[in-house]
Amino acid sequence: GESVGLHLPTLSVQEGDNSIINCAYSNSASDYFIWYKQESGKGPQFIIDIRSNMDKRQGQRVTVLLNKTVKHLSLQIAATQPGDSAVYFCAPGQGNSGYSTLTFGKGTMLLVSP
Amino acid sequence: NAGVTQTPKFQVLKTGQSMTLQCAQDMNHNSMYWYRQDPGMGLRLIYYSASEGTTDKGEVPNGYNVSRLNKREFSLRLESAAPSQTSVYFCASSDRSRQETQYFGPGTRLLVL
Repeated sequence: GESVGLHLPTLSVQEGDNSIINCAYSNSASDYFIWYKQESGKGPQFIIDIRSNMDKRQGQRVTVLLNKTVKHLSLQIAATQPGDSAVYFCAPGQGNSGYSTLTFGKGTMLLVSP
Repeated sequence: NAGVTQTPKFQVLKTGQSMTLQCAQDMNHNSMYWYRQDPGMGLRLIYYSASEGTTDKGEVPNGYNVSRLNKREFSLRLESAAPSQTSVYFCASSDRSRQETQYFGPGTRLLVL
């Protein structure tokens, strides 16, 4: 089965710094990768996704980099804010005729101090 | 547009009791999913419904049953609750046109004594 690991279980940064959250995956057949943010007591919230045929994708204050050679991706958050404090999950997935199969790792907790 | 809603928000059961967790989505999505999340862990798929009228087992289906009542609603039933089923349960849905992205509900926190 899919194995998804995170290099840093907890990441502490200062407000205004840039944050980088890393994720390693094992299934080279993954079609896409999704980053979710989960605040305490809430459900996971979609942040950004990247397909396997891309190596970079940018959103608002976030950038995803994908390195398929080493099966690694990262989520970069620019100018981190206290509201960014949450657990972040990367979820590799595969498309299956109209529905998706996602694999979630344990997540990385991002702590932003003012 | 409420997205994905779940009821109840919190429930306490005694071992052996049964209950049904309700999930509804108003985004006209085709696929729906049930996950459980245990402390310090990621989400594990219990069951999913690729489309109305179909259901399939996920990674951890034992002790659960599901019903895709219609396109909007997907319920999860515990027939005889066990302490090992103490967890937070999340429902999600996805659309055929963008199948990879699942949208999650707020969760149901279940404690089995």
